[in-house]
Amino acid sequence: KAGVTQTPRYLIKTRGQQVTLSCSPISGHRSVSWYQQTPGQGLQFLFEYFSETQRNKGNFPGRFSGRQFSNSRSEMNVSTLELGDSALYLCASSLEGNSAYEQYFGPGTRLTVT
Amino acid sequence: SQQGEEDPQALSIQEGENATMNCSYKTSINNLQWYRQNSGRGLVHLILIRSNEREKHSGRLRVTLDTSKKSSSLLITASRAADTASYFCATPLNQAGTALIFGKGTTLSVSS
Repeated sequence: KAGVTQTPRYLIKTRGQQVTLSCSPISGHRSVSWYQQTPGQGLQFLFEYFSETQRNKGNFPGRFSGRQFSNSRSEMNVSTLELGDSALYLCASSLEGNSAYEQYFGPGTRLTVT
Repeated sequence: SQQGEEDPQALSIQEGENATMNCSYKTSINNLQWYRQNSGRGLVHLILIRSNEREKHSGRLRVTLDTSKKSSSLLITASRAADTASYFCATPLNQAGTALIFGKGTTLSVSS
């Protein structure tokens, strides 16, 4: 099976712009989670989707949003970008919707905001 | 806030030596997972240990869990240069869902 794919892999944006990142989970996986990784804050949970429903949301401002489609693919959007949004954004998929199952991570999208 | 905190933050050893990393967490959990990340890339799942398990092995990896002390340890035996990476423990955000809370990680450097 193909692994989790994320597009684009690298992105450079300017402050104030918006960005959309995409994640395709492993075939058959219904749960998708997003994480932000920065040197200062480490790995922080953004949101989790299962069967198109957001089940958990991390402590991020409303500028961060996401959604999941019927084929389990997910997108996250960040509006009005700030310099502090520069980070590696990781997507993970899981077969089922509970923590007893391991998560498979994609390679990440490295976002740089200038 | 971080649920898990790894110790030490950084560890440098020679090939063939064992590496031990520790993780402490704050709330009750039903499982704990360990992940590895090679230099700015995606995370790779290493092992999941459930709250009713005390020890689990996978190849050269040995994980222990002490729920009374809210702590876990990851032992890598006979380390190789390829083990150089950051290692994170992760615990569930809550009982519903797959969301994980990660610690800050331990950066392991294995030199040949």
